[in-house]
Amino acid sequence: IQMTQSPSSLSASIGDRVTISCRPSQAIGNHVGWYQQKPGKAPKLLIYETSTLESGVSSRFSGSRSGTDFTLSISSLQPEDFATYYCLQDFHDYTFGQGTKLEIK
Amino acid sequence: QMQLQESGPGLVKSSQTLSLTCTVSGDSMNSGGFYWSWIRQPAGKGLEYIGRIDNSGNTNYNPSLRSRVTISLDTSMNQFSLELTSTTAADTAIYYCATWKVPASPGRSFHIWGQGTMVTVSS
Repeated sequence: IQMTQSPSSLSASIGDRVTISCRPSQAIGNHVGWYQQKPGKAPKLLIYETSTLESGVSSRFSGSRSGTDFTLSISSLQPEDFATYYCLQDFHDYTFGQGTKLEIK
Repeated sequence: QMQLQESGPGLVKSSQTLSLTCTVSGDSMNSGGFYWSWIRQPAGKGLEYIGRIDNSGNTNYNPSLRSRVTISLDTSMNQFSLELTSTTAADTAIYYCATWKVPASPGRSFHIWGQGTMVTVSS
């Protein structure tokens, strides 16, 4: 199963709302997670089961599904949110999206 | 809180075997069902699943690496290991170990990560 993630990069300002999308190559139910990775660090789980916030993660992060597309939204961007984000499907084996680098405008 | 730490050579000669160990601390590997996994990330690129093993020793490998990968478990040492044979420069990457308790909610795999270790395959 392939996960096509878009955009590959994104520039935004503090306080903006941004969305990142992933489209699977086949149906995967709600088997989607979202990860945040900062330079030199391991990825951190933000959201699982499409829309469930991992414990301790800011409520500015949210996940949703529309049709076949899965979306990560970040509201009111804070300086610590500028990082690279990956989606994951674990419906059949495990596949990560290509990543979205979120940069400060 | 369970923690993971990767260890192993940072430099491997091309065509030789890459061997890494992940040491588990903060909890016993036998304190419930877990999947123990390896993921890698070439510099500046995305994440690639390598494979996983469960507490019974059952393995699952990325089809693209299956012929070269072995993941094993030593619960008495609280460790699990990765071997990747016939290495090339394309295997140069940061290697992470990760784990999650099973059964897991959908999308909640790779819940706990090690800090990663850089491995360079040189000719």
